[in-house]
Amino acid sequence: AQSVTQPDIHITVSEGASLELRCNYSYGATPYLFWYVQSPGQGLQLLLKYFSGDTLVQGIKGFEAEFKRSQSSFNLRKPSVHWSDAAEYFCAVAVSGSNSGYALNFGKGTSLLVTP
Amino acid sequence: ETGVTQSPTHLIKTRGQQVTLRCSSQSGHNTVSWYQQALGQGPQFIFQYYREEENGRGNFPPRFSGLQFPNYSSELNVNALELDDSALYLCASSFATGSFEISPLHFGNGTRLTVT
Repeated sequence: AQSVTQPDIHITVSEGASLELRCNYSYGATPYLFWYVQSPGQGLQLLLKYFSGDTLVQGIKGFEAEFKRSQSSFNLRKPSVHWSDAAEYFCAVAVSGSNSGYALNFGKGTSLLVTP
Repeated sequence: ETGVTQSPTHLIKTRGQQVTLRCSSQSGHNTVSWYQQALGQGPQFIFQYYREEENGRGNFPPRFSGLQFPNYSSELNVNALELDDSALYLCASSFATGSFEISPLHFGNGTRLTVT
């Protein structure tokens, strides 16, 4: 079954530093991949998605992600982190797709802490 | 446009009781999904509804059931509550066109259920 793994449970970066959050997927064909962010007490907000085409995708809030088939990875990056980026980040893959929708398999998440 | 709204925001129940959680889909959306997010974990897919019928189900027992109404709002019902049912329950809506298409899921802020 399609699944994603987020190897890092916690990551701490200094404000202004660059960020890379790792995500590895398990799927034979081209997966539909997503990154979501969750602030404390909030729901999930979509940062970006990859379906096909250009392997570097741009998202909201200055985030980008690169799909690398050879490494089965879809890592999230940001060149300069702001204190407001502190949150939980989830990578997800679409499963069970049909004409009427699909489900998401989420990773366990990476908690990002931003220090001054 | 109105986003996905869930009620109540918090709920405390006793083991063995039954609970109903409610979700209003984002305007124009016709598909609703429910996810369970245990503390420190990623969300897990419970089920999805499209045109008032269950359209897919994750690995959850039958005591988890749902409804979708003609106005596309939805309910999640859980019978015979167990301590492990304590979690954040997230509702997500999207628009399915009837042809295979991945449209983003829009999540509500969730209902925090505590079972004692």
